[in-house]
Amino acid sequence: DVKVTQSSRYLVKRTGEKVFLECVQDMDHENMFWYRQDPGLGLRLIYFSYDVKMKEKGDIPEGYSVSREKKERFSLILESASTNQTSMYLCASSPESGGSYEQYFGPGTRLTVT
Amino acid sequence: GDSVTQMEGPVTLSEEAFLTINCTYTATGYPSLFWYVQYPGEGLQLLLKATKADDKGSNKGFEATYRKETTSFHLEKGSVQVSDSAVYFCALSDRGSTLGRLYFGRGTQLTVWP
Repeated sequence: DVKVTQSSRYLVKRTGEKVFLECVQDMDHENMFWYRQDPGLGLRLIYFSYDVKMKEKGDIPEGYSVSREKKERFSLILESASTNQTSMYLCASSPESGGSYEQYFGPGTRLTVT
Repeated sequence: GDSVTQMEGPVTLSEEAFLTINCTYTATGYPSLFWYVQYPGEGLQLLLKATKADDKGSNKGFEATYRKETTSFHLEKGSVQVSDSAVYFCALSDRGSTLGRLYFGRGTQLTVWP
């Protein structure tokens, strides 16, 4: 079974702190994604990566950065956390094969910024 | 650009009722279509998928048919159970794209009462 793990289920940080969210997948997938999920807005893509050290902006990249130094690990960084970044963050991965691009999701990290 | 529109919730049903959640899409290429489910406190899981026109995806009693003529992928189940209570997301990927991103609808909350 594909497994995508996220470093924390719940996280509480203060405004202005630098926050790291870690995601690891164990299936050698090329593509990895970070989303945030907010009530009434569904999933919004923050950043994605299709190879080591490669990244692409999604729909809402402002205030975030990412790092992919190894194929299995994709980190989301909040350089200076703000209260409007309180949200559920979901990581996903997918293989680059067959064109169907099914994504596999981690359990999510609920981040609260106070 | 590519997008998905799905029926707004919440949807509340009694056990054994018939379920339909509508989903329509806009795509420039030849998308694959997905339904994902999110149970309380968890990440998203793939429920079913269809990769070409007239394909029917099915799983756990749920099914959806890829209708190119109406650009739709409606989710149906003949008899819902309390355990089906969750949020359901419709999504598409553009098979002509190499980047593998998915475009999600806003989600539909389903509550089933005994």
